[in-house]
Amino acid sequence: GQNIDQPTEMTATEGAIVQINCTYQTSGFNGLFWYQQHAGEAPTFLSYNVLDGLEEKGRFSSFLSRSKGYSYLLLKELQMKDSASYLCAVKDSNYQLIWGAGTKLIIKP
Amino acid sequence: DVKVTQSSRYLVKRTGEKVFLECVQDMDHENMFWYRQDPGLGLRLIYFSYDVKMKEKGDIPEGYSVSREKKERFSLILESASTNQTSMYLCASSSSPGETGELFFGEGSRLTVL
Repeated sequence: GQNIDQPTEMTATEGAIVQINCTYQTSGFNGLFWYQQHAGEAPTFLSYNVLDGLEEKGRFSSFLSRSKGYSYLLLKELQMKDSASYLCAVKDSNYQLIWGAGTKLIIKP
Repeated sequence: DVKVTQSSRYLVKRTGEKVFLECVQDMDHENMFWYRQDPGLGLRLIYFSYDVKMKEKGDIPEGYSVSREKKERFSLILESASTNQTSMYLCASSSSPGETGELFFGEGSRLTVL
């Protein structure tokens, strides 16, 4: 079966750095997405990785290793507004998205 | 700003009622999707559409149907609502599959079936 694993919940301190991991087992791979979802709101796109390596976008970076079936989202200089759920999703060989259950990130002052 | 609008943020219905959830996008996207989101589970695809009047079943289509009469509008229908359909329903759209396929989501419709 197809599976995406991410931690259920993480806690970090304002101003610090946090890494949210995502491992996947899917039938084929055509890209990996990270979305951010604040409570009660729509998910919004953060990043897309299709090749191995690190993609940096401001305070957020996303890393992919296809051989290991692994990705992480790195958030630097954490702000209170970063408190949200972070969803990992993989596009499989049929270009369908397989979603993880999401990681709830709690930022403490 | 791109926009996906869902008709109702909160609905309360009774078992057996027919429920319509409507979604409109203003980005001229070909692809539209309906997901449900439940605690502890990833988003699950109910139905999707790549073109007007075209529909494809997702992972959990049982108990649902859809309609896409116009490119910008994609409706989800629960013919006879049941309590296990209590959930958050998210509509999304995206551009052609040849691109990254970033999804744009609506705010969601939280449905409670009593």
